[in-house]
Amino acid sequence: QSVLTQPPSASGTPGQRVTISCSGSNSNIGSNYVYWYQQLPGTAPKLLIYRNNQRPSGVPDRFSGSKSGTSASLAISGLRSDDEADYYCAAWDDSLYGVVFGGGTKLTVL
Amino acid sequence: QVQLQESGPGLVKPSQTLSLTCTVSGGSISSGSYCWNWIRQPAGEGLEWVGRVCNSGGANSHPSLKRRVTISVDTSKNQFSLRLNSVTAADTAVYYCARDPDSTGSFDYWGQGTLVTVSS
Repeated sequence: QSVLTQPPSASGTPGQRVTISCSGSNSNIGSNYVYWYQQLPGTAPKLLIYRNNQRPSGVPDRFSGSKSGTSASLAISGLRSDDEADYYCAAWDDSLYGVVFGGGTKLTVL
Repeated sequence: QVQLQESGPGLVKPSQTLSLTCTVSGGSISSGSYCWNWIRQPAGEGLEWVGRVCNSGGANSHPSLKRRVTISVDTSKNQFSLRLNSVTAADTAVYYCARDPDSTGSFDYWGQGTLVTVSS
């Protein structure tokens, strides 16, 4: 059971916009930054969004993040076949004094 | 360009100690306000933060692993290490090392990961 809650799966067709949610509590998302990671099969995760809504250099602006209260979302617009991957949210948890992850969302591009 | 590379035994016997090293290249491990982390992923499952050591001082780990985990830095070798004792099959996973410039979960550089299997 992960501290942060994500839907196990999401899907969309090429060109569509999809969103992935991440729900937490006051001790993590409610009081700290949220980060998003993309993990392609057989590879290490890649930082996609940092500090709630910032994109690292090289990440397309099709990817965007937002946060409200104790929840956060990752939006992917102009969906492409190579966006098919697992997506994870993460945040620092003040109560656990450590980093917590969501259980991951498997995105399928139909 | 910073690069991280994990190394260590791929097979550990139950009750023994898992030892991994992460070698950092492309920059000094002791410069900057970074935390150096270990993250693991059992096959087919999600990511789990194991612990970290920070340049600002101190190390901490996941509460469920705290009694078994030691994370340390060797600045002379530009490496940091993980020791996890009394391992069981539940510790079988791909172990990643990663750098965090925010100290709050912003893992900007990752190693490729190394599979550690706990089995007799």
